[in-house]
Amino acid sequence: EDKVVQSPLSLVVHEGDTVTLNCSYEVTNFRSLLWYKQEKKAPTFLFMLTSSGIEKKSGRLSSILDKKELFSILNITATQTGDSAIYLCAVDGNNRLAFGKGNQVVVIP
Amino acid sequence: DSGVTQTPKHLITATGQRVTLRCSPRSGDLSVYWYQQSLDQGLQFLIQYYNGEERAKGNILERFSAQQFPDLHSELNLSSLELGDSALYFCASSSREFSYEQYFGPGTRLTVT
Repeated sequence: EDKVVQSPLSLVVHEGDTVTLNCSYEVTNFRSLLWYKQEKKAPTFLFMLTSSGIEKKSGRLSSILDKKELFSILNITATQTGDSAIYLCAVDGNNRLAFGKGNQVVVIP
Repeated sequence: DSGVTQTPKHLITATGQRVTLRCSPRSGDLSVYWYQQSLDQGLQFLIQYYNGEERAKGNILERFSAQQFPDLHSELNLSSLELGDSALYFCASSSREFSYEQYFGPGTRLTVT
C-alpha cells in the first residue's frame, strides 16, 4: 500500500520566519510528487516534481525531490499570515494520488 | 474558484440513512475524482470516472457507489451511513484520463449523527 508521511504535523511561526516541511513516501510505480495548499476550502495545486535534485520555485515557495532517499521538502521563506494553511503532499503512483495527512502551518503576526 | 461545483455544501443526517453528493466538473473536463477527507485519515482517494466509465478505485467502501452521467456530472452515493463516515467529501476534475493537475471543488461536509 502506498504510504506518504508528512512532518511536522503542525507548526506555528512568526511572520518573516522560514518554514521547512518534509514529506517521505513509499509507493510502487512512482511517477511524480505533488504539493498542494489547502486553506479553508479545497486544495490548490502548488508544484509537481518528477526529477531528483531539481528545485521548483514559485515566489517565496520552493520544493525539491530526492528520489534516492524518497522524500521531498517544501520551503517557505519570509512567511506571511496568508501562508497559514495545511500543505498536502501527494504521490502519483499507479495513476492515483496518495496523500499525506498534511503539515498545518500557522503564521502569526 | 476552480470551476468545479459541488452540492450540497453541508449535509447532516442520521446513522443508517443514505445520501447523494453531486459534482459538476469544469467545463470540458472528462475525468472526475472523489476524495474523502477526515481528521484521522487525511485526504483519501475513493474513485475516478472518465467520460462515464470507472477508471480507478481507491479506498471506497462497498456501502459507497458512484457514477458519471452523459453530461459528465457525477454523483457519490453513501448508504447505511455510520458515524465514521462524517467527513469532507471533495470532487476534483481534470481534462485528461489521468492528470495530476486536478481542480478541486469546494467540498461537501457530511455530518452523521
